[in-house]
Amino acid sequence: NAGVTQTPKFQVLKTGQSMTLQCAQDMNHNSMYWYRQDPGMGLRLIYYSASEGTTDKGEVPNGYNVSRLNKREFSLRLESAAPSQTSVYFCASRDTQGNSYEQYFGPGTRLTVA
Amino acid sequence: GNSVTQMEGPVTLSEEAFLTINCTYTATGYPSLFWYVQYPGEGLQLLLKATKADDKGSNKGFEATYRKETTSFHLEKGSVQVSDSAVYFCALSRGGGFKTIFGAGTRLFVKA
Repeated sequence: NAGVTQTPKFQVLKTGQSMTLQCAQDMNHNSMYWYRQDPGMGLRLIYYSASEGTTDKGEVPNGYNVSRLNKREFSLRLESAAPSQTSVYFCASRDTQGNSYEQYFGPGTRLTVA
Repeated sequence: GNSVTQMEGPVTLSEEAFLTINCTYTATGYPSLFWYVQYPGEGLQLLLKATKADDKGSNKGFEATYRKETTSFHLEKGSVQVSDSAVYFCALSRGGGFKTIFGAGTRLFVKA
């Protein structure tokens, strides 16, 4: 099992460019999440998908859109990148069966917007 | 609402020293509690967890006990190694909800 995979690993964008960050999990998890991590700021939730076909805003959704393409895949789109979106982006998934509730994280995408 | 507070870092220790990272939480009901670890350049990974009061989670020499009376889940290790240098996140999650609440993270540096 690959777990949670993210592409790309690194990306440099110019202000105003758009891009989509891809995430996939092979653990048959229902819930998936997008976080951003900035120095000294911990993790902040951007969007999440409790189950296939649903998405909801997290703490910092402005400037982002998401698509839950199927149970495996959850993408994050920046329509018009801004320098404030320079960050490390993590995708995660969670099994909502049983009482585990632990999250599994991908390796991250390091995005620079210049 | 639900929240997690953990001690600010960085914490700097010498190899073989005793480690404690404090974590307290606010939550209704009976959440599950977690410690995640993030090594440089990597994503978070689960270090240990506890799902009910008085449970002790343990892994790789780290331990934490779910204390409902003090709403705490402090992380401890008896003898740290240089390889333990990382950022540690305390977190909680509840059944029925779909979000995990993370603390701000505590960076640990271990010197040889």
